[in-house]
Amino acid sequence: KAGVTQTPRYLIKTRGQQVTLSCSPISGHRSVSWYQQTPGQGLQFLFEYFSETQRNKGNFPGRFSGRQFSNSRSEMNVSTLELGDSALYLCASSLEGAEQYFGPGTRLTVT
Amino acid sequence: AQTVTQSQPEMSVQEAETVTLSCTYDTSENNYYLFWYKQPPSRQMILVIRQEAYKQQNATENRFSVNFQKAAKSFSLKISDSQLGDTAMYFCAFRSPYNQGGKLIFGQGTELSVKP
Repeated sequence: KAGVTQTPRYLIKTRGQQVTLSCSPISGHRSVSWYQQTPGQGLQFLFEYFSETQRNKGNFPGRFSGRQFSNSRSEMNVSTLELGDSALYLCASSLEGAEQYFGPGTRLTVT
Repeated sequence: AQTVTQSQPEMSVQEAETVTLSCTYDTSENNYYLFWYKQPPSRQMILVIRQEAYKQQNATENRFSVNFQKAAKSFSLKISDSQLGDTAMYFCAFRSPYNQGGKLIFGQGTELSVKP
């Protein structure tokens, strides 16, 4: 089976812009979770989607949002970008109740 | 709230030797999952090993094994016969099966260097 894929792999944006990141889970996986990784804060949970519904949400401002499509692919959107949003954004997929498998990540740089 | 603590920011080991990475966690739940993930310089997060709290037997995967001490809330990773390819950041992670969905709580990570 193909692994989790994320696009784009690298992104450079300017403060105030918005960005959309995409994640395609492993075939058959209905749960998709998003994490932000920064040197200062480490790995932090953003949100999880299961069967097109947000099931859990981390402690991030409303500028961070996401959605999941009927084919389980997920997108996350960050509006009004800030310098502090520069991070590696990781997506992970799983079968219900099982371990999570991660994609290669999207490196977002905000200038 | 659950927390995960890795007290060793950096460790190094000689090739072919054994190294143990420490992890402690805090939870009031009786059933949960624990994981070790490896993140090499490529940044791809790779699952190393998984342990269910209700299982008394420690999980093993080839050269990787865990020492799970439920009462002490300790979950250490032992890497035997260390190889250069084991050089990576290692993260301990906790997951609750109750009303938490797929949320993983990660420790701060331990950077492991395997030296030739």
